[in-house]
Amino acid sequence: DAGITQSPRHKVTETGTPVTLRCHQTENHRYMYWYRQDPGHGLRLIHYSYGVKDTDKGEVSDGYSVSRSKTEDFLLTLESATSSQTSVYFCAISDSGTGTDTQYFGPGTRLTVL
Amino acid sequence: QKEVEQDPGPLSVPEGAIVSLNCTYSNSAFQYFMWYRQYSRKGPELLMYTYSSGNKEDGRFTAQVDKSSKYISLFIRDSQPSDSATYLCAMKGITGGGNKLTFGTGTQLKVEL
Repeated sequence: DAGITQSPRHKVTETGTPVTLRCHQTENHRYMYWYRQDPGHGLRLIHYSYGVKDTDKGEVSDGYSVSRSKTEDFLLTLESATSSQTSVYFCAISDSGTGTDTQYFGPGTRLTVL
Repeated sequence: QKEVEQDPGPLSVPEGAIVSLNCTYSNSAFQYFMWYRQYSRKGPELLMYTYSSGNKEDGRFTAQVDKSSKYISLFIRDSQPSDSATYLCAMKGITGGGNKLTFGTGTQLKVEL
């Protein structure tokens, strides 16, 4: 998985609780991404980062926030989890963000919100 | 209508068959096209990457892009049970911040002995 780890790998939580997912990379890549994967929707971009403290919204950012204080770590926070946020979350990294740049994915975190 | 359409399958074929997987898209700005393979409960892994129209071959895999028809294909020759996975197409334009990819929903493939 291209030097990408995600933690936790599985989590069950209750509606209304805060949840933080962590992505850690050892590739020193500039760009990091958070996606969610749901049946019938494929992979959808939540937020991405193009450098330390530089982040931007993706297609489905409502209810999520992110932070990147170090090159290697990208955190995704659900401030108050809802059942609609039950999903599999993938982190991805890429080097330059240019046209030929490719994204490499982590192993995923399976989140269940009861 | 989604920007990228992909038949979800499942597609079941016998070992040794030629498999054809396809995606159509509506955004003419897409210039880069990728195929990812995703095994059950794993992250997607990049399989093929092509720029603009044309073919690209890598072993048993051939990626084909027809920009005039907004249609991309992945062919798998001599399919093996180990090819059983979900195949995701992805694409992006030249401009636009963050290297954003637009994915199809994935086609589930099963290669049977």
